[in-house]
Amino acid sequence: QVQLVQSGAEVKKPGASVRVSCRASGYTFTSYDINWVRQAAGQGLEWMGWMIPSTGNTGYAQNFQDRLTMTMDTSTSTAYMELSSLRSEDTAVYYCAAAPGSGSDYWHFDLWGRGTLVTVSS
Amino acid sequence: QSALTQPASVSGSPGQSITISCIGTSSDVGGYNYVSWYQQHPGIAPKLLIYDVYKRPSGVSNRFSASKSGNTASLTISGLQTEDEADYYCGSYTNSITLVFGTGTKVTVL
Repeated sequence: QVQLVQSGAEVKKPGASVRVSCRASGYTFTSYDINWVRQAAGQGLEWMGWMIPSTGNTGYAQNFQDRLTMTMDTSTSTAYMELSSLRSEDTAVYYCAAAPGSGSDYWHFDLWGRGTLVTVSS
Repeated sequence: QSALTQPASVSGSPGQSITISCIGTSSDVGGYNYVSWYQQHPGIAPKLLIYDVYKRPSGVSNRFSASKSGNTASLTISGLQTEDEADYYCGSYTNSITLVFGTGTKVTVL
């Protein structure tokens, strides 16, 4: 079954870091780019960045340039999103989403994880 | 990168057609044919409805159609059904090699 399985909910204190995982199954992990999107409660979607699993190259939205790191482990078909210096405004559901291909022609996401709730609270 | 502008809400009666606009700039919507649309029901991950401006993935109803003119993209839902009640988001590639989403539109079926 083609799916993205995300790690469970996290509660973090302000200033801490969080790492969310996204394990791909049912397809060749290196064939499809992985993007991360977050959504605060009652708010819209916010694109965070993307990773090309076949090369490890990444690109981040300007809002996250200095706090976001995307990595991967091809041996387990898992992508990771780490956000540092957390603040209350980072409380949101974080989704990983796969594009149906790799490279600059694929800027739409047809496969989504179920989302991981990250709560930042003192 | 500022979010693309969508109306906060659109409503219609069952069977009617509605259109949701998505206004960007020449740096995103107007400059590339990489506009996509997503449907999101409460508590569930978004679902891809349209990609590359007007293309529909297999399995998506042909009641959903989309187009683009200049810096504005549009999604039309024809034959509105109760299950169409959801939030809708547009997305566009940008000249910064990033993606930007729209502000989102809540569709209500009266």
